[in-house]
Parts: sequence; structure tokens; C-alpha cells
Amino acid sequence: DSGVTQTPKHLITATGQRVTLRCSPRSGDLSVYWYQQSLDQGLQFLIQYYNGEERAKGNILERFSAQQFPDLHSELNLSSLELGDSALYFCASSVSPSETQYFGPGTRLLVL
Amino acid sequence: QKEVEQDPGPLSVPEGAIVSLNCTYSNSAFQYFMWYRQYSRKGPELLMYTYSSGNKEDGRFTAQVDKSSKYISLFIRDSQPSDSATYLCAMRAAGNKLTFGGGTRVLVKP
Repeated sequence: DSGVTQTPKHLITATGQRVTLRCSPRSGDLSVYWYQQSLDQGLQFLIQYYNGEERAKGNILERFSAQQFPDLHSELNLSSLELGDSALYFCASSVSPSETQYFGPGTRLLVL
Repeated sequence: QKEVEQDPGPLSVPEGAIVSLNCTYSNSAFQYFMWYRQYSRKGPELLMYTYSSGNKEDGRFTAQVDKSSKYISLFIRDSQPSDSATYLCAMRAAGNKLTFGGGTRVLVKP
């Protein structure tokens, strides 16, 4: 157990819908990262937050957004969902941006 | 061409054999190198973390980095069926954006 928690574990929804994924980092970690893992794309970095502020952006679609709250938990919002958004979404956390990242168990999203 | 290349496998070995995994990369700015293990439908778990070139050993695992060749390796000695998983290499430059390889699926047969 890495200490990073993610909810929900599974999510099934329809195209065009909006969902919110939640992540609680390890105790003491200030940085949160979001990744998407699909079969054909591997593990892709989406976005990073550090102590509430956006730190880096990767291949995140405009339909996706995220934020980190004062208690350091983070949410990833996915809107106007498409079939191709079906994937595993992982959250990772680290003490600081230069430290090792620890991954949560992931949320499996299925868009029908 | 991807920044980090990793053979997807699968790599099948008998129990007790040495598993040899590797990644090549193109970005010479990468300084920090990691290996993660991912069981099916689970989150990646950090196995090894190395900085710059050299070797690092931890139990049955040995990580090697050759920056001059832009090549990193992971060796698993005395492999066990419980080592069956996907192994992901990851690396980053001085910033913190991790770039992952596509992963190699390993199957250790009893």
C-alpha cells in the first residue's frame, strides 16, 4: 500500500457525461500528479500540482481539468466524455517536485 | 520516435532464471532513472531509483544506467512466479515530469 488513495475504484458512464475522480496523497506529500493509462498509449502524464498550485502540464485535453485543495487532496474532472477516454487514471504523490512519486491504485473509467 | 523505448514483450522465463529488462532513451537531459512494477490493474510500485550512471543493487534487483549509451537495465535474479508483472522504466530531467516507457510484460513460469 503506497498510502495514496483514489476514489472511486471503478466508474461506468455514458458519452457526453462528466465525472470527477478524487485523490488523497500520502501524508506529508505536497505534490500530486495525474496520469492516464490506456492500452495503446501507455502511462501518460496529465498534470501536476504542488501545494495547491499548478506546476506542470502534460498531454491533458481541454475537456479535462484538475485542482488541488487546501487539504492537499486533488480532483480530476473529465467532461464531454468520449469512448476514447476509457482508461485507468492514476494519481501519484511526492513530498516535493523533485522527490520520488508514489502511485495510487487507480480509477478505472469505462465510457459507453 | 518516442523519447523512451521499451520492448513490450512478453518475456517468458522459467522460475529461478535471471530476468533482463532494458530501456533506451533519446533525451540526454534525463538524470533520474526509475523502475516500477505494475501488477494487472494495480498502480505502479517503485522498485529502483538511481541517479546518473552506475549500478544499484537491492536484494534480487540490480539497476544499471549507462548515460553514454542512453541505456538502462534492470536485472531480477532468482526470478519467482510472483515477479510476473509489467515492468515500466521511467526517467526525468532536473524538472519533475516523468517520462515512462511502454512497459515490458514478464511471465515467470513455475
